[in-house]
Order: sequence, then structure tokens, then C-alpha cells
Amino acid sequence: SQQGEEDPQALSIQEGENATMNCSYKTSINNLQWYRQNSGRGLVHLILIRSNEREKHSGRLRVTLDTSKKSSSLLITASRAADTASYFCATGQGGSEKLVFGKGMKLTVNP
Amino acid sequence: NAGVTQTPKFQVLKTGQSMTLQCAQDMNHEYMSWYRQDPGMGLRLIHYSVGAGITDQGEVPNGYNVSRSTTEDFPLRLLSAAPSQTSVYFCASTRLAGEETQYFGPGTRLLVL
Repeated sequence: SQQGEEDPQALSIQEGENATMNCSYKTSINNLQWYRQNSGRGLVHLILIRSNEREKHSGRLRVTLDTSKKSSSLLITASRAADTASYFCATGQGGSEKLVFGKGMKLTVNP
Repeated sequence: NAGVTQTPKFQVLKTGQSMTLQCAQDMNHEYMSWYRQDPGMGLRLIHYSVGAGITDQGEVPNGYNVSRSTTEDFPLRLLSAAPSQTSVYFCASTRLAGEETQYFGPGTRLLVL
């Protein structure tokens, strides 16, 4: 069963703008991860945030986690055309490497 | 270091045929898994393994078999293909260290007629 739900399902922005994607989940988690998938390719890991963390940065990426609201957001700053891809959130439960993925959202960055 | 490799990249099967999707990793990861990706459904876990000789079912295991005879390889078998198994299949691996990122293969696109 799907755990995460990304919002919006699709987002189209201009190069240089910021993109914000949200993920809501249902059950308690150990960690939340974001992955990117370019068209026709496998998934690439972007960032992982643990349940005891509230915010994490990696380059142009900023992820936040609110366990009380069971939600996370991924911010991509100064977007580039190369950021065009589908983005997935995935949650990990305690004691297991199993991940439960959301349905994904499609980001289009127009040059 | 090739990472996670999958073969074939694309396959067409007729209903009732069998085939094996291959997955291999050279990172000495204990944990390996298979997902299927369907439009609008995200990725769903089919089977996973925490080490050689140990496999378990995921969310959608019906119609698929797996085995793990070595740390490196984790093949997925379709015993009698059905059109509902038309999908893109991804293999992934990670260390058994908890809260680790997963490494994905490039995928196998399967069409069952």
C-alpha cells in the first residue's frame, strides 16, 4: 500500500525559480528519503532525513520533516532545466531496509 | 564499480511464457530488492532479500519467484507471464546498516502480449 503521497502531482516552473514538493505519509517512520528519476532511467537517491531531524541541506536541496504532521517538503533552489524529472518520496520503517514509495511528482523546468 | 546492473533492458513476452530478469551488484550489499513501476502507481515492492539464502515477499509478490544463491545476484522469475505483469522492473540494493540510501539499476521494460 502506498505510504507517501507527493503534492503537487505536477509542477512547471521557469529556470532559476525555486521548486517545492510536499510529501505526506500515514504511519510512523524511521527516515524519509527523496529520489529523482529522469525519463526512462532508474531512481537516484537525493537526500535522506531521519525521524529525529527537522531539516537537512545538500547543495541546492533543502528537505524538512514534520513528524507531528507526518509530512516532508523538498525545496530545490535556483532550478535548472536539468532538474526536470520525476521526484519520489520514500519512507523507511524501523528495523527494516524496506522502503515504501509515493506515486511521484513530475517537475518540468523550462529554460 | 558497475553498481547495480539489470538485463535485459527490454523484453516482449507472450502470455504464459516464462523468463528471468537478472540483477547483479558489485558493492557487496546484503540487501537487494525488486520493484515494479506502473504509471501513476509509483514503485511497489515485489520481493526482497537480506542475504544469500534469505528472501521474503513484498507488497505484490504474486506471479513472481526469487532466489538469492550469492550476495551479488538476485534474479526475478516470472513463471507464467500475464498482461498484468507488463511494467518496468527495478532492482535495488543497499547495505544492512539501517537508514541507508538504496542504489537502483537502470530497469527492465517488460511487455506481455
